[in-house]
Amino acid sequence: DAMVIQNPRYQVTQFGKPVTLSCSQTLNHNVMYWYQQKSSQAPKLLFHYYDKDFNNEADTPDNFQSRRPNTSFCFLDIRSPGLGDAAMYLCATSRDGGTEFFGPGTRLTVL
Amino acid sequence: GIQVEQSPPDLILQEGANSTLRCNFSDSVNNLQWFHQNPWGQLINLFYIPSGTKQNGRLSATTVATERYSLLYISSSQTTDSGVYFCAVEPPTGTASKLTFGTGTRLQVTL
Repeated sequence: DAMVIQNPRYQVTQFGKPVTLSCSQTLNHNVMYWYQQKSSQAPKLLFHYYDKDFNNEADTPDNFQSRRPNTSFCFLDIRSPGLGDAAMYLCATSRDGGTEFFGPGTRLTVL
Repeated sequence: GIQVEQSPPDLILQEGANSTLRCNFSDSVNNLQWFHQNPWGQLINLFYIPSGTKQNGRLSATTVATERYSLLYISSSQTTDSGVYFCAVEPPTGTASKLTFGTGTRLQVTL
């Protein structure tokens, strides 16, 4: 089945220790998104790639970076995680901005 | 930016009951999607519905774009319908498919 896969599902890191979350998709969609969702809140868009074009939200902290080496993969790098970065990180894809399909998420804990 | 408000914030139903969830948005939109987030955090797209009415099994949705609202109907609710329902909208300006999520409706279906 075509799908969006996120690894790992649970990630524990230490305060200030860089961490990378990964997302892959078999849908061959050209748009990939990263969202942050904190407890009892709605998902918040961090950035997205439309094909190879990177689009950063104005209020996304510089601490968050992303890479998309090819159509299928996208990475979220958190350079120096703080306690406030503990959240669920959701990857999603779409074809040209249509229906969005989400992965299962990575729950990040910062100690 | 665009404001998206959902009501009610919380809803408890007995299995078999019907319900209507509402999404109000503050500006015109290119795109509106309804999602269900299950208790494990997975977001599932229910409808892509910038205007008009769609039905999928026990669920249907109607968007009246000119009046800036959308409704999600759940009929004969089941315990598996529990979770949080989000509507998300894409304003007409900027790059494609930058969804802004609403505040969510938390639904609990009891036996």
